[in-house]
Amino acid sequence: EAGVTQFPSHSVIEKGQTVTLRCDPISGHDNLYWYRRVMGKEIKFLLHFVKESKQDESGMPNNRFLAERTGGTYSTLKVQPAELEDSGVYFCASSISGTRGEQFFGPGTRLTVL
Amino acid sequence: GENVEQHPSTLSVQEGDSAVIKCTYSDSASNYFPWYKQELGKRPQLIIDIRSNVGEKKDQRIAVTLNKTAKHFSLHITETQPEDSAVYFCAATLGGSQGNLIFGKGTKLSVKP
Repeated sequence: EAGVTQFPSHSVIEKGQTVTLRCDPISGHDNLYWYRRVMGKEIKFLLHFVKESKQDESGMPNNRFLAERTGGTYSTLKVQPAELEDSGVYFCASSISGTRGEQFFGPGTRLTVL
Repeated sequence: GENVEQHPSTLSVQEGDSAVIKCTYSDSASNYFPWYKQELGKRPQLIIDIRSNVGEKKDQRIAVTLNKTAKHFSLHITETQPEDSAVYFCAATLGGSQGNLIFGKGTKLSVKP
């Protein structure tokens, strides 16, 4: 069974540009989460989808971040315009229906904003 | 806001020794506590978890203990091996959320052969 996949693995952009990260969860997983780890700090929750609906987006830093999950399958996280402090590793995770199941993480996208 | 404190930030042990990593959480409603291991360049992987109705759980060389009163949980690795070297993250669910996790800052464990 394929695990959670993320694309791209790395992205280097200039401040002010736009970047879109993609996450493909494990097939059949209704729950999809986005997390971010800034260098040397903890992994921080950004938002949670249940199917195509945003269940909780309390962790989104500001309105420069937009997440979507079309049809309840893959998800995208767009940063527009990117700022220096957006640099970090963005992880996606998915879990089966219901609450508090094991979350399977993707390999992450390392975003560097110059 | 709610948080999870993790100590130590780095830990170096000799092969065969035990390693203990400790975490405290602030949200008394948290009821699920997973531990993730992240090897260099790889994704975080769940190694063990515990729910609030259990005080201890063991899986081969790995064990986790939970003290809900003190809001404290720990990871114990016995007979450490070089392949245990990695960054370990503890986490706790955010209150009544459907799985949203609050993570500690991680512990870099080095096991010297």
